[in-house]
Amino acid sequence: GAVVSQHPSWVICKSGTSVKIECRSLDFQATTMFWYRQFPKQSLMLMATSNEGSKATYEQGVEKDKFLINHASLTLSTLTVTSAHPEDSSFYICSATGERADTQYFGPGTRLTVL
Amino acid sequence: DAKTTQPTSMDCAEGRAANLPCNHSTISGNEYVYWYRQIHSQGPQYIIHGLKNNETNEMASLIITEDRKSSTLILPHATLRDTAVYYCIVRPSNTGNQFYFGTGTSLTVIP
Repeated sequence: GAVVSQHPSWVICKSGTSVKIECRSLDFQATTMFWYRQFPKQSLMLMATSNEGSKATYEQGVEKDKFLINHASLTLSTLTVTSAHPEDSSFYICSATGERADTQYFGPGTRLTVL
Repeated sequence: DAKTTQPTSMDCAEGRAANLPCNHSTISGNEYVYWYRQIHSQGPQYIIHGLKNNETNEMASLIITEDRKSSTLILPHATLRDTAVYYCIVRPSNTGNQFYFGTGTSLTVIP
């Protein structure tokens, strides 16, 4: 149980375009989802927290207009990187908590490369 | 905003126990200790968590000191597949509370 998927697993896009990443909880209802970013050889950095039906809460220094998060259902959250630039190239990982909320379950990650 | 300190790297011989330490001297009374690991280019995998008592599951054991200022994750019989970065995180076990990852310990299991 407690499986989280992400789509796509990798994406390459041109500078200036927007990219949408999906995060789904497959076998539980995710009351809260989290988005992280990880640069090479670095740790995970929390970007934002989203609750179903509410606006996401962004961490300090994360541009909310650049990283659009939508959590429209209890099983799906999306992260859209708008007007992507090469410095946005990174490994994006989502996680989700269910009703018990005592553990976060992570997706496999999406590697974004912006040319 | 990580509240933990871990060694940067460790080696362990295959088949032996791997003991990974974590210091969390500023831990609060309502904060749990969580352990996750991340194999290269994958999402983190939950291992175990605890509050005060020692915990054991099919993956590992978690030993928390009586003053709760440090803990040790024990992999009883390390295999090559256990090579990963291990993260120790403290957080309250409440809805919506975030995980802030530190730098973790890079464990290499040697044949």
